[in-house]
Amino acid sequence: SQELEQSPQSLIVQEGKNLTINCTSSKTLYGLYWYKQKYGEGLIFLMMLQKGGEEKSHEKITAKLDEKKQQSSLHITASQPSHAGIYLCGADIVASNTGKLIFGQGTTLQVKP
Amino acid sequence: DAMVIQNPRYQVTQFGKPVTLSCSQTLNHNVMYWYQQKSSQAPKLLFHYYDKDFNNEADTPDNFQSRRPNTSFCFLDIRSPGLGDAAMYLCATSRDRGLAGRNIQYFGAGTRLSVL
Repeated sequence: SQELEQSPQSLIVQEGKNLTINCTSSKTLYGLYWYKQKYGEGLIFLMMLQKGGEEKSHEKITAKLDEKKQQSSLHITASQPSHAGIYLCGADIVASNTGKLIFGQGTTLQVKP
Repeated sequence: DAMVIQNPRYQVTQFGKPVTLSCSQTLNHNVMYWYQQKSSQAPKLLFHYYDKDFNNEADTPDNFQSRRPNTSFCFLDIRSPGLGDAAMYLCATSRDRGLAGRNIQYFGAGTRLSVL
């Protein structure tokens, strides 16, 4: 089973609608990273969360790390076609950083104009 | 402006024919990583270099090797590509390994490898 589970696996929303993507770990998250990937391309860094309860925003995207540090959510407000892509969460699940990130399988987002 | 550059973007090779993928960075980061990503799957770490120190993942096949001749460049060598090695290969860098939660990795655009 996946160490990091993302839900939903895919999402189709109408432009202007809000949406939330979740990332759940079976282990404590020592760092949580959100990336966006367009099909056939590399990962673009969005945000990093480290502390339980932390929340960060960039433009219309907000990410939170829950208090128990085992789940993160990514919320997009008033979605636009430019938000379409694959969103991946990556995590440090080991306290002493070996440099290794574990990734979720990604959530594919389509935004209908 | 590109900070992590992968070449080529697309590579076609024949079954069993050695292939080398290239990654360069202008960030002067200490750590360089190679990931394999198959269709609709999570990226999977193959190995990383911390400066000149090579760190292989336990489940990375021997068929995959890497070289880092200097800070800026890192290569992924696939000695005898099989059909199962067709994938996107992603290179990433980070300033340091540091403490968990402070390790932002910056990715290149990837090289899509096809094996015929």
